[in-house]
Amino acid sequence: DAGITQSPRYKITETGRQVTLMCHQTWSHSYMFWYRQDLGHGLRLIYYSAAADITDKGEVPDGYVVSRSKTENFPLTLESATRSQTSVYFCATAAAGGHQPQHFGDGTRLSIL
Amino acid sequence: EDQVTQSPEALRLQEGESSSLNCSYTVSGLRGLFWYRQDPGKGPEFLFTLYSAGEEKEKERLKATLTKKESFLHITAPKPEDSATYLCAVLRNAGGTSYGKLTFGQGTILTVHP
Repeated sequence: DAGITQSPRYKITETGRQVTLMCHQTWSHSYMFWYRQDLGHGLRLIYYSAAADITDKGEVPDGYVVSRSKTENFPLTLESATRSQTSVYFCATAAAGGHQPQHFGDGTRLSIL
Repeated sequence: EDQVTQSPEALRLQEGESSSLNCSYTVSGLRGLFWYRQDPGKGPEFLFTLYSAGEEKEKERLKATLTKKESFLHITAPKPEDSATYLCAVLRNAGGTSYGKLTFGQGTILTVHP
């Protein structure tokens, strides 16, 4: 049971480059989320999706783009990476119903030089 | 604005020394309160959901309780493998089956010494 798979686990890139973080789930959960985790800020929501082709902004969406053409995939793209986007990125999913807990992947550690 | 405050920030225990972690919250309509465990280099791992005041949940050495203003995670006779960061999060009621805003606390870093 793979659950949630994030790739890559580690990524180093340069400012101005485009980078895409992948998230794949095997549970068929309706909801998918992207968070960043930084010291002093905790977990902050970037974007979320309630279903295929339905996405919405979270707390810190600037500089990020998402898409969800299939229920199981929810890629996060940094269109032009900046140093302030250096962080650990977590993907999470939740089943339908509006009250289920979120389940997290193991994260992507992204460094932007 | 929803707020979640966890205390203490860090807790060091001897193996077998029971203690509690606190999660104080303010939220406009609580849909649920979640406890997670996070190990270094890993994502948060779901532990418990509490939905209403007075509710309690147990798992091995952990017991979570909920009041209208706070939640406690009680750790009984902890072992070194219980060392981790424990996160609390509150889910706001968005109405119907929509998923509301989930607000996380900063976490409590628990270290259990043998």
